[in-house]
Amino acid sequence: EPEVTQTPSHQVTQMGQEVILRCVPISNHLYFYWYRQILGQKVEFLVSFYNNEISEKSEIFDDQFSVERPDGSNFTLKIRSTKLEDSAMYFCASDSEGSSTDTQYFGPGTRLTVL
Amino acid sequence: GDSVTQMEGPVTLSEEAFLTINCTYTATGYPSLFWYVQYPGEGLQLLLKATKADDKGSNKGFEATYRKETTSFHLEKGSVQVSDSAVYFCALSDTGNQFYFGTGTSLTVIP
Repeated sequence: EPEVTQTPSHQVTQMGQEVILRCVPISNHLYFYWYRQILGQKVEFLVSFYNNEISEKSEIFDDQFSVERPDGSNFTLKIRSTKLEDSAMYFCASDSEGSSTDTQYFGPGTRLTVL
Repeated sequence: GDSVTQMEGPVTLSEEAFLTINCTYTATGYPSLFWYVQYPGEGLQLLLKATKADDKGSNKGFEATYRKETTSFHLEKGSVQVSDSAVYFCALSDTGNQFYFGTGTSLTVIP
């Protein structure tokens, strides 16, 4: 069964450093998402991406964040200058239709630790 | 705005016990409702979903009914197994395509 994959599984970085989290969505999907979960809190939406542009973003997704689909398979989340409060589990997801009834398929997550 | 409130955990049950995990929601439109499950070391996997009022989603012995009158989507299973130990997330998707999640409920089933 096709699945969403994410790398790395765990990333440790120093405050102020740039990190890039990578995702490979399911191959025939067209809509891509990033979510994050701070320990003990809800899974929160960050951004959705379709047709090579951001379609929706939350208040969390400020100028420090950017997303890119650099080639036909990868979908990346970049944090330019990490803060302690960026420590969280980051989930990538994808779906084929982008509608409210469509199932989003999630990757296993990248745990980001900012020291 | 849209939100999901989920029963606090952790929940510990003996094998073959009955499981209920409560989930209520607030939405401006007509949302679709989902339960996802996360096994240790894995991603969020769809467990079941319902896209309109009175629909019942079911999978692997789990069930949840979309109740518009009580804005609820409680997850139930008649007889849990050790392999059901995981974290369960209730979620909704409304007019946009972002998901709103609850905090997750950790379930441990002991033999």
